[in-house]
Amino acid sequence: DTAVSQTPKYLVTQMGNDKSIKCEQNLGHDTMYWYKQDSKKFLKIMFSYNNKELIINETVPNRFSPKSPDKAHLNLHINSLELGDSAVYFCASSQGGSGSGYEQYFGPGTRLTVT
Amino acid sequence: AQSVTQLDSHVSVSEGTPVLLRCNYSSSYSPSLFWYVQHPNKGLQLLLKYTSAATLVKGINGFEAEFKKSETSFHLTKPSAHMSDAAEYFCVVSVVTGRRALTFGSGTRLQVQP
Repeated sequence: DTAVSQTPKYLVTQMGNDKSIKCEQNLGHDTMYWYKQDSKKFLKIMFSYNNKELIINETVPNRFSPKSPDKAHLNLHINSLELGDSAVYFCASSQGGSGSGYEQYFGPGTRLTVT
Repeated sequence: AQSVTQLDSHVSVSEGTPVLLRCNYSSSYSPSLFWYVQHPNKGLQLLLKYTSAATLVKGINGFEAEFKKSETSFHLTKPSAHMSDAAEYFCVVSVVTGRRALTFGSGTRLQVQP
């Protein structure tokens, strides 16, 4: 069974379109995240939800809007896509407890290409 | 604030020789530290973690790392490289606060020559 899954795996779209990426985790974790990995492989946190509540909202354009319908799902909606949004987007989840260090489990990634 | 510096962007070794990937961190609080590996076109997999228990941490696939507070380092090592170890490796720091975010290093690409 896949622990953290994302759909779609690949997404090719034109500038100006609106698209969504879905993420689901079956680990029972209470926190979910979205990261963006750029062309140089650098990973940066975008958002984090804990028990459906937004706890991290880094400096990303407001064209990006996360939505968490329940603890197991965190979707990412992107409006008016731009060329610079092309990247790989990773979803992750973790469970609280200092003993775990909040280790995160990552999905396989969604490669978004904006043309 | 917390940050991670991976000292080498690219490391090349021969199969069967030791691997050393270097990482230094900066944190205002007691950190948790991780190494993640990313194979080409794949997601990230946790190799090992340090969470204030033993300073020498053993992970999967024969990797280990040693937490050295005095040097603020968390270098990743493996005695003998395999071809399958070729990948991108990320050193990561987490601070136990409400944010729970991970801060990633810039990555080290490990190349293994036959």
